[in-house]
Amino acid sequence: DVKVTQSSRYLVKRTGEKVFLECVQDMDHENMFWYRQDPGLGLRLIYFSYDVKMKEKGDIPEGYSVSREKKERFSLILESASTNQTSMYLCASGEGTLNYEQYFGPGTRLTVT
Amino acid sequence: QQQVKQSPQSLIVQKGGISIINCAYENTAFDYFPWYQQFPGKGPALLIAIRPDVSEKKEGRFTISFNKSAKQFSLHIMDSQPGDSATYFCAASRYNQGGKLIFGQGTELSVKP
Repeated sequence: DVKVTQSSRYLVKRTGEKVFLECVQDMDHENMFWYRQDPGLGLRLIYFSYDVKMKEKGDIPEGYSVSREKKERFSLILESASTNQTSMYLCASGEGTLNYEQYFGPGTRLTVT
Repeated sequence: QQQVKQSPQSLIVQKGGISIINCAYENTAFDYFPWYQQFPGKGPALLIAIRPDVSEKKEGRFTISFNKSAKQFSLHIMDSQPGDSATYFCAASRYNQGGKLIFGQGTELSVKP
């Protein structure tokens, strides 16, 4: 059974803080993704990674960066958190070749005050 | 630019009724169209998916109807049950995009007993 875990379910940070969101998957998947979920906007891709140390911008990368030093771990970094980054953040992993299914973690609800 | 448009945003159906959620896409290069189901407090999970070489796919009470010429696809839930109450997302992907999904805005379905 595929498992994607995220380091925190709820997080409250102050404006200007550096924030790290961690994601770990246990299925040896090549691809990992970070999304943010906002009501009425669906899931929007922030960044994805198709291999260790490889990353590609998604649709809304501004204000975010990522790190993938090991295959199973993909981190999302908010360099200087702002209130408009208050959102639900979802991590996913997938094989990404013939099988496009993505497996999601439970999400991190981030509030920036 | 929203490449996948989903409607309605919310839907209330009586138990035993049919729930219908619609999606329209713009990019004719898309070749994979999944639907994801998300329960409160959980990440989305793949429900059913279709490729454009077929017009319909059925799994239990869930059916995807696909209209390639209209660039539309829809999810039908037959005999809707209160346990189907969740948020549903359609999505689309291209074969050479490493499994990267473009999601619709989401539909919150409530099935009343």
